[in-house]
Amino acid sequence: DAKTTQPPSMDCAEGRAANLPCNHSTISGNEYVYWYRQIHSQGPQYIIHGLKNNETNEMASLIITEDRKSSTLILPHATLRDTAVYYCIVRSPNFGNEKLTFGTGTRLTIIP
Amino acid sequence: DAMVIQNPRYQVTQFGKPVTLSCSQTLNHNVMYWYQQKSSQAPKLLFHYYDKDFNNEADTPDNFQSRRPNTSFCFLDIRSPGLGDAAMYLCATSRAQVAGEDGYTFGSGTRLTVV
Repeated sequence: DAKTTQPPSMDCAEGRAANLPCNHSTISGNEYVYWYRQIHSQGPQYIIHGLKNNETNEMASLIITEDRKSSTLILPHATLRDTAVYYCIVRSPNFGNEKLTFGTGTRLTIIP
Repeated sequence: DAMVIQNPRYQVTQFGKPVTLSCSQTLNHNVMYWYQQKSSQAPKLLFHYYDKDFNNEADTPDNFQSRRPNTSFCFLDIRSPGLGDAAMYLCATSRAQVAGEDGYTFGSGTRLTVV
């Protein structure tokens, strides 16, 4: 699976949009971009995933560049409960490749 | 609600005394995983089961073993815990890889302390 690069930490004011970048310049054509987050002392939580097109769900939006070498997770109206470590993971959908490999992630702190 | 349940939430064990952590799931997922997460680090995969097929990561110490008696349950056995094995242990499940599958479901973890 392709390697990802994320900033180690970010701050965002409560109520503002939090934009978390991720570089995955070696991504292959069939690899998906997944985002998870981990709130302190809890298990990781799935947020969103995408292949080429931008995606939106009730939690967040995912913007993938046209060349697919980077993406941005957007939390549209950040709340204090969004303070967590956010992991960007690239994963192949191929049968037999079930592993999810975590990188170092971005520690997002929402400021009141 | 369908979920992944880990028991206990906190476990204290003595140095060298075998300990077992348990995980159950009601999702009927055929893949189950064990991750180790040390303080301020990302989760690290130890091994996973694809149905009954056991897949060990190359760098997982022999001290760590696993059992999956049926679809719903999976156990992590640490034969002789050392101080360096103190960590959060996370269980996760997923369906067999499906293109665009929406990912894993994690339990809340068991925090292991070795004294």
